[in-house]
Amino acid sequence: QVQMQESGPGLLRPSETLSLTCTVSGGSISSSTYYWAWIRQPPGKGLEWIGTIYYSDTYNNPSLKSRVTTSVDTSMNQFSLKLSSVTAADTAVYYCARLFMDYYYYYMDVWGKGTTVIVSS
Amino acid sequence: SSELTQDPAVSVALGQTVRITCQGDSLRSYYASWYQQKPGQAPVLVIYDKDNRPSGIPDRFSGSRSGNTASLTITGAQAEDEADYYCNSRDSSGNPYVIFGGGTKLAVL
Repeated sequence: QVQMQESGPGLLRPSETLSLTCTVSGGSISSSTYYWAWIRQPPGKGLEWIGTIYYSDTYNNPSLKSRVTTSVDTSMNQFSLKLSSVTAADTAVYYCARLFMDYYYYYMDVWGKGTTVIVSS
Repeated sequence: SSELTQDPAVSVALGQTVRITCQGDSLRSYYASWYQQKPGQAPVLVIYDKDNRPSGIPDRFSGSRSGNTASLTITGAQAEDEADYYCNSRDSSGNPYVIFGGGTKLAVL
C-alpha cells in the first residue's frame, strides 16, 4: 500500500523559500501510471492545487507559477516543492498526493497527512 | 483557469439522502472527483471517474453529472459522513491543471 509523508520546516519568515519533500513508500515514484502533486489548504479555507510533476514534466498553478519549482528524486523515491518569496498568505497545511490523470478525469487517490507551514516575522 | 462552485453548507437528517453539487464550465467536458475531509485529517477520495468508488468507500456514496453540474449523492447519510466535501476536475482550458471547488460542509442532523 502506497503511503506518502511530507517533511520540511514548519516556520518561515517572509521572503524566504519554502522547501518541502514528499517521501513515497510502498510504491515507485517512477511509475508510468501516476503523477505527483502538491496541494495546500490555508487555515479554515479550501484546497488549492499548487503543482504537478511527472518525471521532468511540471505543471503549476498559474496563480503561483513563477514562485513554484518542483522536482523528483527517483533514487530516494521522493519529490519536492520549493515556493519562493513566501508571505503570510502562504501559511497553510501542505499536502502531497498521488495523482491519476486521464483525459477526462483527474483524481488524487493517496494523500500524505499534511504538514503545517507558518509564515511569520 | 476555470472555477468550480459548491454550496458552502448543506444539512441532512440522519438516514436521509443528500446531494452535494459542484458547478463549472469544465464539467461540460470532464468528470468530477470527490473528496471527504474530516477535521484535522487529509482529504480522502470517495468518487472518481464517472461514478467509481475506491476500495473501502461505502456504496451509499455515488456520483453523477448533468450539463455543467456534478453531484455527489449520499443515500442514507450516517453520522460519520459529517465532513467537508470537495470536488475537483481538470481545468476547462485544456491545460493539465487541477481545479478544486470551494468545498461544502455537510451537517448530519
